[in-house]
Amino acid sequence: KQEVTQIPAALSVPEGENLVLNCSFTDSAIYNLQWFRQDPGKGLTSLLLIQSSQREQTSGRLNASLDKSSGRSTLYIAASQPGDSATYLCAVQGDSSYKLIFGSGTRLLVRP
Amino acid sequence: GAVVSQHPSWVICKSGTSVKIECRSLDFQATTMFWYRQFPKQSLMLMATSNEGSKATYEQGVEKDKFLINHASLTLSTLTVTSAHPEDSSFYICSANAETSGNHEQFFGPGTRLTVL
Repeated sequence: KQEVTQIPAALSVPEGENLVLNCSFTDSAIYNLQWFRQDPGKGLTSLLLIQSSQREQTSGRLNASLDKSSGRSTLYIAASQPGDSATYLCAVQGDSSYKLIFGSGTRLLVRP
Repeated sequence: GAVVSQHPSWVICKSGTSVKIECRSLDFQATTMFWYRQFPKQSLMLMATSNEGSKATYEQGVEKDKFLINHASLTLSTLTVTSAHPEDSSFYICSANAETSGNHEQFFGPGTRLTVL
């Protein structure tokens, strides 16, 4: 059974810092891995999707990497801003059922 | 990207009543949709996989007679919470699976907040 873990559970940083969020998964037979952002009381915003054959994806100040063999992904946020404050969720999609299994999330606070 | 809508965005109901939540893929067809539940300060938990024209597949621990799922068309799936109780109060989110450029990706609705009094 696939399990997804995110570390740290919460993170507070001053504005401008670069930071890394971690995601690990137990079953490497994945179809893709996705990073989402969720603001309080809101739905999910997709940030980056990495196919199983890819190593990384970039969008603006965000960079996500995937090491399928070791069951790890990282989300790198450069030059953090207060507007980046949210919960970041990592999810893996299985290679046969397309179900998404979510990690517990990292709550990020970027202090002005 | 593909757009998924949910209706209503929030609902308050009395204990014992049934509530229907709709999930629509607006600009694509989805043979597979998913329903998730999220409790405060927790992550999303998959409840069931909704397949167009066939019965839904429920995750372990999810009561199929309490959470009725109907996927009657390629753009609409509904979740009915029957005989709702306060412990069913939660944020319900749906997603629809779309194939783009040979890849499968899920697109999420904005969620429905259910409060059962």
